[in-house]
Amino acid sequence: NAGVTQTPKFQVLKTGQSMTLQCAQDMNHEYMSWYRQDPGMGLRLIHYSVGAGITDQGEVPNGYNVSRSTTEDFPLRLLSAAPSQTSVYFCASSYSPPSTDTQYFGPGTRLTVL
Amino acid sequence: RKEVEQDPGPFNVPEGATVAFNCTYSNSASQSFFWYRQDCRKEPKLLMSVYSSGNEDGRFTAQLNRASQYISLLIRDSKLSDSATYLCVVISSGSARQLTFGSGTQLTVLP
Repeated sequence: NAGVTQTPKFQVLKTGQSMTLQCAQDMNHEYMSWYRQDPGMGLRLIHYSVGAGITDQGEVPNGYNVSRSTTEDFPLRLLSAAPSQTSVYFCASSYSPPSTDTQYFGPGTRLTVL
Repeated sequence: RKEVEQDPGPFNVPEGATVAFNCTYSNSASQSFFWYRQDCRKEPKLLMSVYSSGNEDGRFTAQLNRASQYISLLIRDSKLSDSATYLCVVISSGSARQLTFGSGTQLTVLP
């Protein structure tokens, strides 16, 4: 199993550009989440999904969209990038709700918005 | 006030030392507690869950004090490989049931 994969590893955008961060898992996990990590802030939840076709907002959803058309994939879309979205983005997945099951994280995408 | 607070450190300790980290949480309805480890520029990985009765995994001991709303992690006989950032993680009741992370405590074990 590849586990949780994320692409790209690094990305530089200009303000106003849009892009999609890819996340895929091959463990047949129902639960998938996106987090961002900023210095001194810990990881904060952006959006999450409890299964294909079902998504919901987390703590910091503004400026981001998600969809879950398959169990395996959970892409994160930045609609119009802003410097405040410069961060490290982690995707995570688990079989069961996070309260009862280990979260597996992808290696992260480092995004810089100029 | 942050929902989960940790002393950011850094903690610099010699090999073989015992070091303890504390973490406080503000939501008394929090249900599940974890310690994650994050190496520099890597993803977080689960270190251990924290149970009310306290639990141990080798050199690592985790404690939960619900009355005072804090969690602790004790590392005995520190190794160089323990150098990392340790993240306190809490799950509160409610529909989201997602993880809330502390900002992490940085540990460096020195030779």
